[in-house]
Amino acid sequence: AQTVTQSQPEMSVQEAETVTLSCTYDTSENNYYLFWYKQPPSRQMILVIRQEAYKQQNATENRFSVNFQKAAKSFSLKISDSQLGDTAMYFCAFMTHRGNNAGNMLTFGGGTRLMVKP
Amino acid sequence: GAGVSQSPRYKVTKRGQDVALRCDPISGHVSLYWYRQALGQGPEFLTYFNYEAQQDKSGLPNDRFSAERPEGSISTLTIQRTEQRDSAMYRCASSLGRTGVNEQFFGPGTRLTVL
Repeated sequence: AQTVTQSQPEMSVQEAETVTLSCTYDTSENNYYLFWYKQPPSRQMILVIRQEAYKQQNATENRFSVNFQKAAKSFSLKISDSQLGDTAMYFCAFMTHRGNNAGNMLTFGGGTRLMVKP
Repeated sequence: GAGVSQSPRYKVTKRGQDVALRCDPISGHVSLYWYRQALGQGPEFLTYFNYEAQQDKSGLPNDRFSAERPEGSISTLTIQRTEQRDSAMYRCASSLGRTGVNEQFFGPGTRLTVL
């Protein structure tokens, strides 16, 4: 079974600064996918960024980027130029691609609550 | 162009009652997942449908929990004889289900409180 660990229950950052959220995972699989989801106070679940394990290049989406270290099983999220709207719970998630018959369920970490301060 | 919808958004029930939670996925989405999220924790997988077939129910905690998706669209998660420990946010997610890894789109969730 896969496990996902987020060791920082809460973090804060000043507006316009950079913050990094940590995530580690445990798996024996070689082909998998990693995700970061954002859950704002409205409690929606919004996909922020995804990374395929077979890709060496770190994924980037505007102000969001990841540092994927496959050997270390580490997948951190960097938020640059933090904005007040980034205040949310952030979840790291793992997926083994099993195909549509078996399903591609997500395994989530416990989350990191990020507060962006003005 | 509606997203995933769930109803009711909030449900308060008394211990021992049955509840039915509904999920309406994005039109055309073949894959449907149910997750449960306790307060302050990440979502946990419950069950998965590919069209109308329930392909994985390994996450259902016990036999009081069941789910169906009879026509391959709307899905219902039923909890019989509810207990206080069932209180949580229940979310469904749908995805296209095409070849490759498709994004899962989450619904707003149903917050269940068992008194």
